[in-house]
Amino acid sequence: GNSVTQMEGPVTLSEEAFLTINCTYTATGYPSLFWYVQYPGEGLQLLLKATKADDKGSNKGFEATYRKETTSFHLEKGSVQVSDSAVYFCALFSASGGSYIPTFGRGTSLIVHP
Amino acid sequence: EAGVAQSPRYKIIEKRQSVAFWCNPISGHATLYWYQQILGQGPKLLIQFQNNGVVDDSQLPKDRFSAERLKGVDSTLKIQPAKLEDSAVYLCASSYRGDEQFFGPGTRLTVL
Repeated sequence: GNSVTQMEGPVTLSEEAFLTINCTYTATGYPSLFWYVQYPGEGLQLLLKATKADDKGSNKGFEATYRKETTSFHLEKGSVQVSDSAVYFCALFSASGGSYIPTFGRGTSLIVHP
Repeated sequence: EAGVAQSPRYKIIEKRQSVAFWCNPISGHATLYWYQQILGQGPKLLIQFQNNGVVDDSQLPKDRFSAERLKGVDSTLKIQPAKLEDSAVYLCASSYRGDEQFFGPGTRLTVL
């Protein structure tokens, strides 16, 4: 079956540091890839997405590139802020019979200190 | 545009009791999902509806969990009887095209 593996957290950084959160996946076919963010006490929000190989998703300074050769979708940000502290989930949606079946990773907690 | 609504936000019950959760998706979204998110883990898909038909329920513990989506709009998820290991946040999400989901705030269930 499909699976998503994320790096263990928490990731602890100082403000303005560079962020990388690794995500690799296993799936049949050509899934769409997503990053969701969950701020404390809130529901999941879509951060960015990429639907085919070599696509780059970006939003709010975050970026991720769909790498089919390495089956990866690593999340990066050049300069993190305290407000980026949250849990980040990598996910894939695999097309099946006209629908998309989602699979989520375990999540990576990011803590940014001033 | 109103988001995905869920109720209640919190529920505390004793084991072997029953509980029900309600979800109202974004208007016009044909696909509705129920997830279980145990503390420290990612969301696990329990059931996926396309309109009022079930697309996937392979991870739904059918001996105790049930879900319905009458009229293809709002949905209820029921647990009967509840076990301690059912303590989790139950998330509802909806989607228009199926490749991007919008999540509700979740219902936090504690089973004592």
